[in-house]
Amino acid sequence: DAGVIQSPRHEVTEMGQEVTLRCKPISGHDYLFWYRQTMMRGLELLIYFNNNVPIDDSGMPEDRFSAKMPNASFSTLKIQPSEPRDSAVYFCASRKWAGETAYGYTFGSGTRLTVV
Amino acid sequence: AQSVTQLGSHVSVSEGALVLLRCNYSSSVPPYLFWYVQYPNQGLQLLLKYTTGATLVKGINGFEAEFKKSETSFHLTKPSAHMSDAAEYFCAVSEKPGGSYIPTFGRGTSLIVHP
Repeated sequence: DAGVIQSPRHEVTEMGQEVTLRCKPISGHDYLFWYRQTMMRGLELLIYFNNNVPIDDSGMPEDRFSAKMPNASFSTLKIQPSEPRDSAVYFCASRKWAGETAYGYTFGSGTRLTVV
Repeated sequence: AQSVTQLGSHVSVSEGALVLLRCNYSSSVPPYLFWYVQYPNQGLQLLLKYTTGATLVKGINGFEAEFKKSETSFHLTKPSAHMSDAAEYFCAVSEKPGGSYIPTFGRGTSLIVHP
């Protein structure tokens, strides 16, 4: 199992540009999560999907942020237009739900986004 | 509503000394509790978890944590610190609103290990 795969690992972009972050969850996992990590706010849940359907996007900071999961093996987080305050590490995580047993997440290695 | 408080943003210990990272939670229902570790430039890895049953849970790398309901705590310990334990540690709690078990993470505690 290759784990949760995120790309790119690092992204530097200019303010106003569109940024797309990608995630491939672990095969067979039913849930996919997007988190943002900053020194100021810690780890924030942005949105999560269950069986490819967005369940809760209340953590998405603004309309500039959007996320999609077109199939069980791929998700994107898009920021358009990007701003310097969007600079952070963005993590994707997936989880398999099995009855009443709550499994821990498996996190990807993250994408470090810098908007200049 | 659920919440997690990690006491101390930084904890410094000498190699070979006891590691104690503190976590207190708030939950309206019996919680599931987790500790995650994050090494530099990596994602979070599950260290251990408590769901039901035995209140003392053992995780990877010699870490363990004890669920104390009366104290609403889930402190992480390791008898003897190793240099490789230097990392960021996150406590998390989850309930079950609608069956989702979405956890809330603490702000993290950075463990520094001195030679």
